[in-house]
Amino acid sequence: DIQMTQSPPVLSASVGDRVTLSCKASQNINKNLDWYQQKHGEAPKLLIYYTNNLQTGIPSRFSGSGSGTDYTLTISSLQPEDVATYYCYQYNSGPYTFGAGTKLELK
Amino acid sequence: EVKLVESGGGLVQPGRSLKLSCAASGFSFNDYWMGWVRQAPGKGLEWIGEINQDSSTINYTPSLKDKFTISRDNAQNTLYLQMSKLGSEDTAIYYCARAPGYFDYWGQGVMVTVSS
Repeated sequence: DIQMTQSPPVLSASVGDRVTLSCKASQNINKNLDWYQQKHGEAPKLLIYYTNNLQTGIPSRFSGSGSGTDYTLTISSLQPEDVATYYCYQYNSGPYTFGAGTKLELK
Repeated sequence: EVKLVESGGGLVQPGRSLKLSCAASGFSFNDYWMGWVRQAPGKGLEWIGEINQDSSTINYTPSLKDKFTISRDNAQNTLYLQMSKLGSEDTAIYYCARAPGYFDYWGQGVMVTVSS
């Protein structure tokens, strides 16, 4: 199985900060990676698909990048409504797997 | 508007079975792969599996393959998850999601609690 390691587990940042979340795969996943946002008590929401494609309706402050085994989700200017847990997800090869998540908090 | 509504959850005794349903509306159900994801209390997301449009391909995470069965009824626009031999480790919120590669729409989730 492909293991997805997200770092850091918890990130504290201030409104307006540029925030970078990392996701590392245990083997090459050929950019077959999505990012999901989950706010407390809600279902996950797709932010980014296939590494760097912004889902419809998602603010442009969110962006994704990466290749091979290393991927990044960037929030260019953190907003209060961005407080959530963020999960990466690989669908390159089965069983598909999620990372353990990065919990983003306001400082 | 795309809508996914799960049902069938609740309290179930260890060793028993339970069948979840996911009613889909607002899109052409038989054009899409569909999937199930679960989340144990306070934990992360776990991919359960996916089913293709005509049920000819169904993929599972290996640890659940012998316990869970995914199926669909395209005439009823409904996705199912049959769960058997349930244990406390299966206590979780279960989500259905539309899966054109990525999960672009999710249901609100249904809680399953396995306890005596």
